[in-house]
Amino acid sequence: NAGVTQTPKFQVLKTGQSMTLQCAQDMNHEYMSWYRQDPGMGLRLIHYSVGAGITDQGEVPNGYNVSRSTTEDFPLRLLSAAPSQTSVYFCASSWDGSTDTQYFGPGTRLTVL
Amino acid sequence: AQTVTQSQPEMSVQEAETVTLSCTYDTSESDYYLFWYKQPPSRQMILVIRQEAYKQQNATENRFSVNFQKAAKSFSLKISDSQLGDAAMYFCAYSYNNDMRFGAGTRLTVKP
Repeated sequence: NAGVTQTPKFQVLKTGQSMTLQCAQDMNHEYMSWYRQDPGMGLRLIHYSVGAGITDQGEVPNGYNVSRSTTEDFPLRLLSAAPSQTSVYFCASSWDGSTDTQYFGPGTRLTVL
Repeated sequence: AQTVTQSQPEMSVQEAETVTLSCTYDTSESDYYLFWYKQPPSRQMILVIRQEAYKQQNATENRFSVNFQKAAKSFSLKISDSQLGDAAMYFCAYSYNNDMRFGAGTRLTVKP
């Protein structure tokens, strides 16, 4: 089992560029989520999905899009990157988004210049 | 909105001693879940312990235990017999209705 994988590990973008952060899990979890981690603020929920075809907004969704076409994959899209989106991004999955242990990926460090 | 507060940005403990990390949260719900996650320098988030709010008994996992005070909305983590490998950032988290909120974290240093 690879668990939760994320690509890339590091990325540098220029303001206005777009990109997709990839996330995949092989545990057949229904729930997947994206967080951003900024210094001194802990992790904040961006978007989540409770199953294929279903997504919802978290605490800080602005500037990000998601889709869930399969159980395994949950990509995060930045349509027009801004310096405020410089952060470390974590993808996580679990059986249930409220009660269950979240399994986290290794993270992607994104810098927007 | 639910908030989670960790009032100790940094803590230090001597190896083999006991340390307690504090966490408070704000919610109007009665049935929710609380977690402590550890983040070592590798950046990987690792579950330490989990507590169901409807259970009065405090959760324990080997050297890790919690003091859950539901009325006070307090959820502290006690680490006994601290080891060098316990050095990390520790995050308290609250979860309800698919929405997980994290505190800002406490950096724990373990002195040999």
